[in-house]
Amino acid sequence: GNSVTQMEGPVTLSEEAFLTINCTYTATGYPSLFWYVQYPGEGLQLLLKATKADDKGSNKGFEATYRKETTSFHLEKGSVQVSDSAVYFCALISGNTPLVFGKGTRLSVIA
Amino acid sequence: NAGVTQTPKFQVLKTGQSMTLQCAQDMNHNSMYWYRQDPGMGLRLIYYSASEGTTDKGEVPNGYNVSRLNKREFSLRLESAAPSQTSVYFCASSEATPSSGNTIYFGEGSWLTVV
Repeated sequence: GNSVTQMEGPVTLSEEAFLTINCTYTATGYPSLFWYVQYPGEGLQLLLKATKADDKGSNKGFEATYRKETTSFHLEKGSVQVSDSAVYFCALISGNTPLVFGKGTRLSVIA
Repeated sequence: NAGVTQTPKFQVLKTGQSMTLQCAQDMNHNSMYWYRQDPGMGLRLIYYSASEGTTDKGEVPNGYNVSRLNKREFSLRLESAAPSQTSVYFCASSEATPSSGNTIYFGEGSWLTVV
């Protein structure tokens, strides 16, 4: 079946550090890939997405590239801020099944 | 701009009690979902409804029932609550079918504790 594996947290970084959160997937067919973000006490909101191989999704300084050859969709940001502290979820849709989430990675950014 | 609204936000139940979580969306979306979020488990799909009048089981449907009352509303019922159902519940909606890749919009969550 479809599944998503993302790096375990928590991840703690200093402000302006480079961020990478790894995500790999298993899916039948050609999935669409997503990163969602959950700020404390809130629901999830879409951060970025990519619907086909080699697409790059980007938003708010975050980027992720859909790599079919490595079945990966790693999230990156060049310079994190304290306001980026949140839980990040990698997710996919493939075939006729609803969104499948990874377990989430908590990011804490300290000033 | 309400989006997805779910109630109640917090609830404490005793084992064996029943309750219904309400969810409504004002975006005219066709598809609606109920997820639960547990520490270290991410979000797991309980039930979803691809269109008004249809419902389907997700990954963890046992102990729950749902009703797609109309296009706007999708409720989740716990008939006999158990401590294992202590969780944060999220309702969500999207414009098109579940596999279309359209953005899914989430409510703010309902914190449920079963003692």
